[in-house]
Amino acid sequence: AQSVAQPEDQVNVAEGNPLTVKCTYSVSGNPYLFWYVQYPNRGLQFLLKYITGDNLVKGSYGFEAEFNKSQTSFHLKKPSALVSDSALYFCAVRDTGGGNKLTFGTGTQLKVEL
Amino acid sequence: DGGITQSPKYLFRKEGQNVTLSCEQNLNHDAMYWYRQDPGQGLRLIYYSQIVNDFQKGDIAEGYSVSREKKESFPLTVTSAQKNPTAFYLCASTADGVVSPLHFGNGTRLTVT
Repeated sequence: AQSVAQPEDQVNVAEGNPLTVKCTYSVSGNPYLFWYVQYPNRGLQFLLKYITGDNLVKGSYGFEAEFNKSQTSFHLKKPSALVSDSALYFCAVRDTGGGNKLTFGTGTQLKVEL
Repeated sequence: DGGITQSPKYLFRKEGQNVTLSCEQNLNHDAMYWYRQDPGQGLRLIYYSQIVNDFQKGDIAEGYSVSREKKESFPLTVTSAQKNPTAFYLCASTADGVVSPLHFGNGTRLTVT
């Protein structure tokens, strides 16, 4: 069975500092990995995905993520955080070994402070 | 603009009543999904449909039912058999269900008392 772990419920960072939101996964085949962001009382918005190719993936709003197969991780990063980045972030995985189910992590609340 | 419309945004019902949540998309997507979101639990899949007139149970289908009579529409009924129906419900769609990302609606917050 596929699974996703986001080990931090909340991440606090000062504006202008780099941020990292962690994600690890478990699949039987190769993973398709996604990051989404959710603002209060809204649906999720797609940020970026890793399907194949370059391990460093760039996405919307200056975010990027690095796929690390040996560590089964897909951490979300941004070089310089903004207060407006404060939101709930979800990592998700789809197992290419079969099925169309997308499994989500429990989410990480990012708080960027002045 | 293409997108997914969920209605209503807020819904209040008495225990024992069935309630139907609407989800309409104009993205021409084949696959549609219903997720339930509870604090600290992430998103859990209720039902999904990859094509009209076909749907599959997700991880927490008990107490829920769906239909997919039209490509654009995927309504979710929360029945009285659902033990803890109060939650935030999200509908999503995707073009191919594999590499394409999900597009989400803005959700319906259901409160059952």
